[in-house]
Amino acid sequence: GAGVSQSPSNKVTEKGKDVELRCDPISGHTALYWYRQSLGQGLEFLIYFQGNSAPDKSGLPSDRFSAERTGGSVSTLTIQRTQQEDSAVYLCASSLGQPSEPQHFGDGTRLSIL
Amino acid sequence: LAKTTQPISMDSYEGQEVNITCSHNNIATNDYITWYQQFPSQGPRFIIQGYKTKVTNEVASLFIPADRKSSTLSLPRVSLSDTAVYYCLVGAPNDYKLSFGAGTTVTVRA
Repeated sequence: GAGVSQSPSNKVTEKGKDVELRCDPISGHTALYWYRQSLGQGLEFLIYFQGNSAPDKSGLPSDRFSAERTGGSVSTLTIQRTQQEDSAVYLCASSLGQPSEPQHFGDGTRLSIL
Repeated sequence: LAKTTQPISMDSYEGQEVNITCSHNNIATNDYITWYQQFPSQGPRFIIQGYKTKVTNEVASLFIPADRKSSTLSLPRVSLSDTAVYYCLVGAPNDYKLSFGAGTTVTVRA
């Protein structure tokens, strides 16, 4: 079946521009996660959605980062006024119900800020 | 969340068994243990999850001693395609902010 789909797979943009990253979770998965992974590092938790609600936004690095999820499905992560330190791979995962359920990851969006 | 410690890297050869031990001394009563595998340019992939004793699936086995202060992921007869980073995570059923640390980079050689 279809897995988690992320788009674009690669994004190169200039410093100061806004970017929008998209995640299509597995159908029926109510939980959705965003992570950031810098080169050679582990995953940094950004935000978690249960349905359309995000109970905890404290993982977002700054107020330039925002995320939303509509219809309990597609989610977008928006970074405004990008900075070079935002360069990383942004990963999305979805799972059934509780956080204890295994997460299914997309292959990420590789973001490069020039 | 319980802190986990695992080796930074391990080397092995094709056909050998690889055992990766993760320490989690302050694991809580209702915490469970999950392992993920990540290949370059891909998102992590769930391998196995357990709470106590031993869990086995078609890919790996997970050994958890009675005190649950550590766990060992066992990969039988590895091949070159098992070269990846392996992450050990510990958390309660409602912990959504699980920590993927640096993981263990396993390199399998011919």
